[in-house]
Amino acid sequence: EAQVTQNPRYLITVTGKKLTVTCSQNMNHEYMSWYRQDPGLGLRQIYYSMNVEVTDKGDVPEGYKVSRKEKRNFPLILESPSPNQTSLYFCASSFFQREFNEQFFGPGTRLTVL
Amino acid sequence: GQNIDQPTEMTATEGAIVQINCTYQTSGFNGLFWYQQHAGEAPTFLSYNVLDGLEEKGRFSSFLSRSKGYSYLLLKELQMKDSASYLCAVMDSNYQLIWGAGTKLIIKP
Repeated sequence: EAQVTQNPRYLITVTGKKLTVTCSQNMNHEYMSWYRQDPGLGLRQIYYSMNVEVTDKGDVPEGYKVSRKEKRNFPLILESPSPNQTSLYFCASSFFQREFNEQFFGPGTRLTVL
Repeated sequence: GQNIDQPTEMTATEGAIVQINCTYQTSGFNGLFWYQQHAGEAPTFLSYNVLDGLEEKGRFSSFLSRSKGYSYLLLKELQMKDSASYLCAVMDSNYQLIWGAGTKLIIKP
């Protein structure tokens, strides 16, 4: 089944404790993104990647890191989480440089930083 | 700065038609997307416009005018299950996706 998977789905952690949220897709998509969604603000792109070893900052990259060593995986790293990073996070993927590039979303990761 | 505007909330009646507008100002343009999102769930794709005009897909249609920086999503024969948030997004010249805050659509019987 074609899908985007994220883990964990729910996470409660404390300020300063490094964490990684994994994202994997099995559709051979070039383009992958991380978003955070907060009430009243909609989706905001954190980082995106147009292919392996290529990453770009989105609207809100501060406090986050990403890597794209393989085409299928795009982990999101919070080196020192803070309470303002409490949010709902989505990973998404799509084809790139094709006429039609629908983004497929993962199920979301709800992160709480205490 | 880059900006996408859409109404915060709209209300419509079951069986009716509703139009959700989206205006955008972005650095370049590589396509406009509409997504549907039910509360607590991931967004799901509805439509994609890169050329001016109307794209129809069943009960849903999307229109784009690049010169006006304007799009709308038209939903016909509204059903209760259409109650959701509708998100407008534009891909800019750097292939970054810029999202509106979403329009919450409430359907009344």
